[in-house]
Amino acid sequence: AAGVIQSPRHLIKEKRETATLKCYPIPRHDTVYWYQQGPGQDPQFLISFYEKMQSDKGSIPDRFSAQQFSDYHSELNMSSLELGDSALYFCASSLQGLSYNEQFFGPGTRLTVL
Amino acid sequence: AQKITQTQPGMFVQEKEAVTLDCTYDTSDPSYGLFWYKQPSSGEMIFLIYQGSYDQQNATEGRYSLNFQKARKSANLVISASQLGDSAMYFCAMREGDAGGTSYGKLTFGQGTILTVHP
Repeated sequence: AAGVIQSPRHLIKEKRETATLKCYPIPRHDTVYWYQQGPGQDPQFLISFYEKMQSDKGSIPDRFSAQQFSDYHSELNMSSLELGDSALYFCASSLQGLSYNEQFFGPGTRLTVL
Repeated sequence: AQKITQTQPGMFVQEKEAVTLDCTYDTSDPSYGLFWYKQPSSGEMIFLIYQGSYDQQNATEGRYSLNFQKARKSANLVISASQLGDSAMYFCAMREGDAGGTSYGKLTFGQGTILTVHP
């Protein structure tokens, strides 16, 4: 079965650089979520999209922006990177109306800021 | 205030024995869902089990069962017949605003419990 695809899997950037993380949800899934998991931390919700519209926003820094495109893939854009942005970034997708609307997580993108 | 609390930073269990991982939650929303995820050292998040706030029976999925005590606001995960491959971080998570499976709601995670299974 198709899963959530995230690219790249690993990314190394310097401080003040920009990064773009991509997420391809499971086909037919209409909702995408982004989470950030710092070292030794629990995942923290950043932002979500339903049918290409932002549906909820969490503790996402102003330096970050995200969007969902017409083909339902989503991109998280991160500018002026800081050391504290080093984390595992998860994308998850779900389909509204399923029995318990499970969020399927991608493998994550591990971002290291030097 | 912490919405999801996992008070056990680490747990140890002997292979083939059962283990209970604790989770308590706090919400004023009558409609919510509780999830357990497993995160191995490789990093991926693997869904294990779900319990809805209106579900009358405790959820079960193979060796996983959820001991749901609504009045006490607890949703403990029970893993029966532990296997070496069960060694991982386990997260309890809550989604508020659940209504029969229709929810855009974000997941709020607990701090996690590291489970180590000894041979």
